[in-house]
Amino acid sequence: AIQLTQSPSSLSASVGDRVTITCRASQGITSALAWYQQKPGKPPQLLIFDASSLASGVPSRFRGSGSVTDFTLTIRSLQPEDFATYYCQQFNSYPLTFGGGTKVEIK
Amino acid sequence: QVHLVQSGAEVKKPGASVKVSCEAYGYTFTTSGITWVRQAPGQGLEWMGWISTYNGNTNYAQKIQGRVTMTRDTPRSTAYMELRSLRSDDTAVYYCARGRYTSTYTPFDFWGPGTLVTVSS
Repeated sequence: AIQLTQSPSSLSASVGDRVTITCRASQGITSALAWYQQKPGKPPQLLIFDASSLASGVPSRFRGSGSVTDFTLTIRSLQPEDFATYYCQQFNSYPLTFGGGTKVEIK
Repeated sequence: QVHLVQSGAEVKKPGASVKVSCEAYGYTFTTSGITWVRQAPGQGLEWMGWISTYNGNTNYAQKIQGRVTMTRDTPRSTAYMELRSLRSDDTAVYYCARGRYTSTYTPFDFWGPGTLVTVSS
């Protein structure tokens, strides 16, 4: 199975900060990567698919980049509603797998 | 508007079975597969498997293969996930999610609210 390693596992940031989360795949997955945001008690919400395509209704401050094994989620100017846990997911091969998550907390 | 409605919370004893439903609204049910993902308390997301709502083909995670069955009822626009021989480490919130693409290999653009399954003696 393809392992996805997210870093950091948690971070503290302030409103207005630029935040970067990375996701590294144990083998190449072309651009078959998605990013999700999850708030406590809620299901995940799709932010980015195909590594860099913004899902419908997602603010443009979210940006995905990368390919093959190295991927990045950037939040350009962190807003209060962005404090949550973020997961990457690969859909290149069976079994589909998720990263371990990055918790973004208020500094 | 697309949304998925799941059945309610369940409490089961070890060794029992649970069947969770996921009813789809707002789109043509057979155009997107349904994937099941679970999340143990305080843990990350685990892909369990996928069912084609078009022809019923399935693809399961090896970890639970033999204990899980995913089915669908197309006239009711409903998918089901049955997990047997429950253990305490099956305690989790179980989500259904719609695939953005028709195949197993897809991100998930709409999620159900989750169904908490608690396995306890």
